[in-house]
Amino acid sequence: DQQVKQNSPSLSVQEGRISILNCDYTNSMFDYFLWYKKYPAEGPTFLISISSIKDKNEDGRFTVFLNKSAKHLSLHIVPSQPGDSAVYFCAVARGRGGTASKLTFGTGTRLQVTL
Amino acid sequence: GAGVSQSPSNKVTEKGKDVELRCDPISGHTALYWYRQSLGQGLEFLIYFQGNSAPDKSGLPSDRFSAERTGGSVSTLTIQRTQQEDSAVYLCAISGLYTDTQYFGPGTRLTVL
Repeated sequence: DQQVKQNSPSLSVQEGRISILNCDYTNSMFDYFLWYKKYPAEGPTFLISISSIKDKNEDGRFTVFLNKSAKHLSLHIVPSQPGDSAVYFCAVARGRGGTASKLTFGTGTRLQVTL
Repeated sequence: GAGVSQSPSNKVTEKGKDVELRCDPISGHTALYWYRQSLGQGLEFLIYFQGNSAPDKSGLPSDRFSAERTGGSVSTLTIQRTQQEDSAVYLCAISGLYTDTQYFGPGTRLTVL
């Protein structure tokens, strides 16, 4: 059973507009949430994270929102740029602060930013 | 990226052969992970090592899969008697002492014919 779902396999957004990528998870025990970006033939690159004590974390053009009651996570990219075109994975974990914990990933959303 | 190299970058093998995939991380990390991504799927956790603790092998799909980490650094993932369903990109990741953020290597693309 998929514990982390990204229901949109692909998304197309015009350059300069906002990209919103969504992720849902099933287990309320998850308390650390991350977004990774992946280009073809490369490993995933860490983008941004949020812990369960927050509902928003911002880093430049990237903002992650967490709605714990809905078990929903989203990534906003604004303004979107052509270089943002990649596959985006959300990932969740239990425990942090130096404790190694495996990540459970969603299936990814392919974002294409068009000119 | 972030100090993790993997070799080979591509491996083509025949069904039934054994393969070894290598992960070479920078020093100073405390935890090392293996994941795989099959075609059209998300990343699937396989195994992780942390310090001298017993590894968490809960993600290994069968007893044909094993991994070791030597000297707390280099790790090798071994797949015995490979099957076509083992075809995937195998990714290694590391995390440090003060952060759980995992940084990934470029992966090894394994194709079993």
